[in-house]
Amino acid sequence: EVQLLESGGVLVQPGESLRLSCAASGFDFSKYAMNWVRRAPGKGLEWVSGISSSGGTTYYAETMKGRFIMSRDNSKTTVYLEMNSLRVDDTAFYFCVKLTTGGPRGYFDSWGQGTLVTVSS
Amino acid sequence: QTLVTQEPSFSVSPGGTVTLTCGLSSGSVSTTHYATWYQQTPGQPPHSLIYNTNTRPSGVPDRFSGSILGSKAALTITGAQLDDESDYLCVLYLGSGIWKFGGGTKLTV
Repeated sequence: EVQLLESGGVLVQPGESLRLSCAASGFDFSKYAMNWVRRAPGKGLEWVSGISSSGGTTYYAETMKGRFIMSRDNSKTTVYLEMNSLRVDDTAFYFCVKLTTGGPRGYFDSWGQGTLVTVSS
Repeated sequence: QTLVTQEPSFSVSPGGTVTLTCGLSSGSVSTTHYATWYQQTPGQPPHSLIYNTNTRPSGVPDRFSGSILGSKAALTITGAQLDDESDYLCVLYLGSGIWKFGGGTKLTV
C-alpha cells in the first residue's frame, strides 16, 4: 500500500524559511515523479511543484519559482520542499502527491494527508 | 496567468445524466492537456475518476466517462446516484511539467 507521510509544517513569520518532508513507502519510489500540491484555507487545490523520478528535473508554479526548491533523496525515499521568503498567502495544507509516471505527465494517483504551514506575524 | 475553469455548481436528478466541463481561460483544451478528473469529499484525498482525458482507472464505474466537448474537457455521469453528490475537480497539464487545478464543481443529486 502506498503511503505518503508529510511533516515539517509549523507556524512561521513572514519572510522566514521552512522545509517540508514527505516519507514515501509501499512502491518503487525511484521510478515515480513526485509533486507538492497545496490548499489554502477556503480555497481550492493549487499545484506547487514537481520533481522527476531521478530528481534531475524540477518544475514550479509561477508564484513559487525562485522561492521554493523541491528535491528528493531516493535512498531515503523522501521528497523535500524548501520554502523561502514565506508570505502570509503561503498559508495552506501542503500535500505530497505521487504521479503515475517518472514524469512529467501521468496523473496524481496517491496523496498524503497533508501538513499545515501557517505564515503569520 | 492561465486559469482552469469549471462550473461552480451543477444539479442533476437521480438517474439523470450530467456533463461537467473543464476549460482554459485562454485557448482550447485538447488531449495534450491530459485532463484528469477527481471526486473529492471533505477530509479525504481526491479520488481519480478519469485520466488522460477519457481513461478510467480500474474500479471506477463505467457510468463515469471523459471526453473533449468543443473546446473543453468534459466529465459525463450517466445514471447519477445519490452517492455521486460531491465536488468534482479537474486538473490539466499545461506543458513543461506544469499542472493547473480547476476550482471544482459542486454537484447536487
